[in-house]
Amino acid sequence: KAGVTQTPRYLIKTRGQQVTLSCSPISGHRSVSWYQQTPGQGLQFLFEYFSETQRNKGNFPGRFSGRQFSNSRSEMNVSTLELGDSALYLCASSFGSGPSEQYFGPGTRLTVT
Amino acid sequence: TQLLEQSPQFLSIQEGENLTVYCNSSSVFSSLQWYRQEPGEGPVLLVTVVTGGEVKKLKRLTFQFGDARKDSSLHITAAQPGDTGLYLCAGGFNSGGSNYKLTFGKGTLLTVNP
Repeated sequence: KAGVTQTPRYLIKTRGQQVTLSCSPISGHRSVSWYQQTPGQGLQFLFEYFSETQRNKGNFPGRFSGRQFSNSRSEMNVSTLELGDSALYLCASSFGSGPSEQYFGPGTRLTVT
Repeated sequence: TQLLEQSPQFLSIQEGENLTVYCNSSSVFSSLQWYRQEPGEGPVLLVTVVTGGEVKKLKRLTFQFGDARKDSSLHITAAQPGDTGLYLCAGGFNSGGSNYKLTFGKGTLLTVNP
C-alpha cells in the first residue's frame, strides 16, 4: 500500500505571496491532518479534515486554510506569507477521525524569504 | 490547553548504552503515542498506549503509560546508531463532543554514536 505523498517537497516563496501544498493520503484513509513543524515550537496542529469536512482546527491565523476533496486528497493554502511561516509542513492520514494512528508524509519544506 | 513536556530535549550517548526519555503533562490523555522522526522524513508511529499502567515492548524499546495517564516513558536498551532520531510523544484527548485532538511534545533528539 502506497504511503502518504506530499507535493512539492521543497518550496521557496517571497514574503507576501501565497502557497498551496498538496497531500494524498493512504488509500482508504478518510482523515487528513496538517501540522507545522519548526525547531522552536515543534509539531503544531493546523487542522483536520474528515470526509471533506473540517473536524478540528488549531490556533493559527486565518491565513492558513485547507480543504479536502471527495477522493480524500487535501490541500493547504497559506496566503500573505510571512518570514515566520518558514517551516516543515507535514500531512498525516488516518482511517478514523481524532487521535487515531497517524501516518505521516515526508513533508514540504517551505522557505519564505 | 493540553501541553506535553518531553525531557531531555537532547541526548547524545554511545552505542550499547541504555537510556530513558520522558513525556509529562498535567492533563489526562485518553491515549498516548510515540513516534520517531528521522531527518528529512515524517514521524513514524512506534506504539500507542491507552490503559493507565500499560507497558508495551517493541524489541529493545519499552514504553510505559503512567497510572494516571498523564505521563509516559520510553526506555531503550543497548542503543544502536540506527536508533538516532527525534522521539515525539503525542497525547489524544476529547476536545468537545465527538471531536478528538492529538497534541505533540517538542521531542527528544537522540544521537547514538558508534
